[in-house]
Amino acid sequence: EPEVTQTPSHQVTQMGQEVILRCVPISNHLYFYWYRQILGQKVEFLVSFYNNEISEKSEIFDDQFSVERPDGSNFTLKIRSTKLEDSAMYFCASRTGEAFFGQGTRLTVV
Amino acid sequence: AQTVTQSQPEMSVQEAETVTLSCTYDTSESDYYLFWYKQPPSRQMILVIRQEAYKQQNATENRFSVNFQKAAKSFSLKISDSQLGDAAMYFCAYRSARSRGATNKLIFGTGTLLAVQP
Repeated sequence: EPEVTQTPSHQVTQMGQEVILRCVPISNHLYFYWYRQILGQKVEFLVSFYNNEISEKSEIFDDQFSVERPDGSNFTLKIRSTKLEDSAMYFCASRTGEAFFGQGTRLTVV
Repeated sequence: AQTVTQSQPEMSVQEAETVTLSCTYDTSESDYYLFWYKQPPSRQMILVIRQEAYKQQNATENRFSVNFQKAAKSFSLKISDSQLGDAAMYFCAYRSARSRGATNKLIFGTGTLLAVQP
């Protein structure tokens, strides 16, 4: 069964460092998303990507964040200068009909 | 803007019993989808069940069923014959059914943590 794959599963980074979270969506899906879940809180929408461009972004998705789909298969989320409050679980999802989620990347900023 | 509310932060059920998790939502749209996602300790998001707003019939997936009340904007999840593996956080989610090209992101509730007692 096709699945969304995220790497790494866990990343620890120093405050101020750049991180790139990687996702391989399901190949024939058209819409791609990043969501964030701070520990113990609800899942929040960050950004959606369709037709090779951002289609919507939330207030959380400020200038520190960027997304790319560099090669038609990978879908990346970059955080340029991480802050302590960026520590969270980051989920990638893709869909044509139903949304399928990756297993998440746990980002810890120290 | 659409909102999703889950008023039960925690619930508990005995193994083999039935439990109902509540969810209400607010929207001005007439066409949308509603979902229940399960998040076990591994934190993977697993789709449990989905309901199309235009369908009057309540969705069912094995031991999981929903009670969809469109006028009341209510979407509860019933788990029958609860099993230890059902213990997880359950999130209710809303998605617009706007036309192709629209974002149609998922909007989640705050979740209900379900414990299953042996």
